[in-house]
Amino acid sequence: EIVLTQSPATLSLSPGERATLSCRASQSVGIYLAWYQQKPGQAPKLLIYDASNRATGIPARFSGSGSGTDFTLTISSLEPEDFALYYCQQRSNWPALTFGGGTKVEIK
Amino acid sequence: EVQLVESGGVLVQPGGSLRLSCAASGFNVTRNYMNWVRQAPGKGLEWVSVIYPGGSTYYADSVKGRFTFSRHNSKNILYLQMNSLRTEDTAVYYCTRGSGCSGGLCSRFFDPWGQGTLVTVSS
Repeated sequence: EIVLTQSPATLSLSPGERATLSCRASQSVGIYLAWYQQKPGQAPKLLIYDASNRATGIPARFSGSGSGTDFTLTISSLEPEDFALYYCQQRSNWPALTFGGGTKVEIK
Repeated sequence: EVQLVESGGVLVQPGGSLRLSCAASGFNVTRNYMNWVRQAPGKGLEWVSVIYPGGSTYYADSVKGRFTFSRHNSKNILYLQMNSLRTEDTAVYYCTRGSGCSGGLCSRFFDPWGQGTLVTVSS
């Protein structure tokens, strides 16, 4: 099973600051990595797929990069609504796909 | 509008059974890779199962042999039959649509998601 490790566990930042979230895979997943945002009491929401493609309706301040084992989600300038939990997910091997443990972006 | 609505989550005793439903609208479930993903209280996300357009199903090791994923094609509804439930199955269960195929890989990411239904397994 491919293990995804997200860091940091918590990121404390102020609105307007840049957020950089990391997701590291235990073995190569190619470009098959996605990022989701989850707010309390809500379902996850797709942000980025295939490492760097923004999902429909996602603002340009969200960007994804990386390939192989190291991936990054960047939020260029945090808006108040961006403070949430973020998960990465891989779908490189079969049968199981896996999620990372999550990074919480909180208001400093 | 593409929408998924889950139902059926309740409190059930260990060893019991439960069937979850997921009603889809705005698209045809038989043409998509449909999945169940769960989230234990305060924990992360765990993929549970997928049903392919052709009807093949696959399961996480943690539920294999106990859960069955099926669909009613004409009603556009998905079902997750859960048997021999354990306390560790307690979670919010989300129904979600997997992506199409690229580079030989299908169901690479999930969008949209339903609102989830809570299953509590406890005596």
